[in-house]
Amino acid sequence: GESVGLHLPTLSVQEGDNSIINCAYSNSASDYFIWYKQESGKGPQFIIDIRSNMDKRQGQRVTVLLNKTVKHLSLQIAATQPGDSAVYFCAENNQGGKLIFGQGTELSVKP
Amino acid sequence: GAGVSQSPRYKVAKRGQDVALRCDPISGHVSLFWYQQALGQGPEFLTYFQNEAQLDKSGLPSDRFFAERPEGSVSTLKIQRTQQEDSAVYLCASSKDRGTGLQYFGPGTRLTVL
Repeated sequence: GESVGLHLPTLSVQEGDNSIINCAYSNSASDYFIWYKQESGKGPQFIIDIRSNMDKRQGQRVTVLLNKTVKHLSLQIAATQPGDSAVYFCAENNQGGKLIFGQGTELSVKP
Repeated sequence: GAGVSQSPRYKVAKRGQDVALRCDPISGHVSLFWYQQALGQGPEFLTYFQNEAQLDKSGLPSDRFFAERPEGSVSTLKIQRTQQEDSAVYLCASSKDRGTGLQYFGPGTRLTVL
């Protein structure tokens, strides 16, 4: 069936380093992907999104890369800060509207 | 502007009790979604409304779960005869688009069934 999964459950980086969080998806017909950040006790917060007609999209300190050939998505965070510590989810928006989330990657930033 | 709000933020219920969880979406948003998030897991889809119409309820785990959005704005998720396995965070999201756009999430309601 459809699934979106993350390769690593935890990621620890030094403050100031770049972070890369990876995600695999299985539905080749998916055309919209979203990265969310979730802090403890809060709902998922939108970071960046990308549609399938693009390979790369940049935001403030964040970049999303989409490789449709291998069905892979990544989130790059530049100059990671302590405030970036959270769980990051990729989500696939299937054409019926519902989001399919992966398990999540916990990012820990060491000062 | 105001985001998605949910109430209560925390709910403790005894097994067998009925609970009602409320979601106030962003004003003017057409689509409303409910998700269930177990501890340490990603959110899982429960149901989806477009205005007052429930277009997809395939994720509701049993007939004890019921959702409504009678006027196309506020939505209520009701769980009857709660069980311990219902303990989770229930998230509501809304979108200005008809199901294919960005979804904005509320803070969630943490339900604990004793």
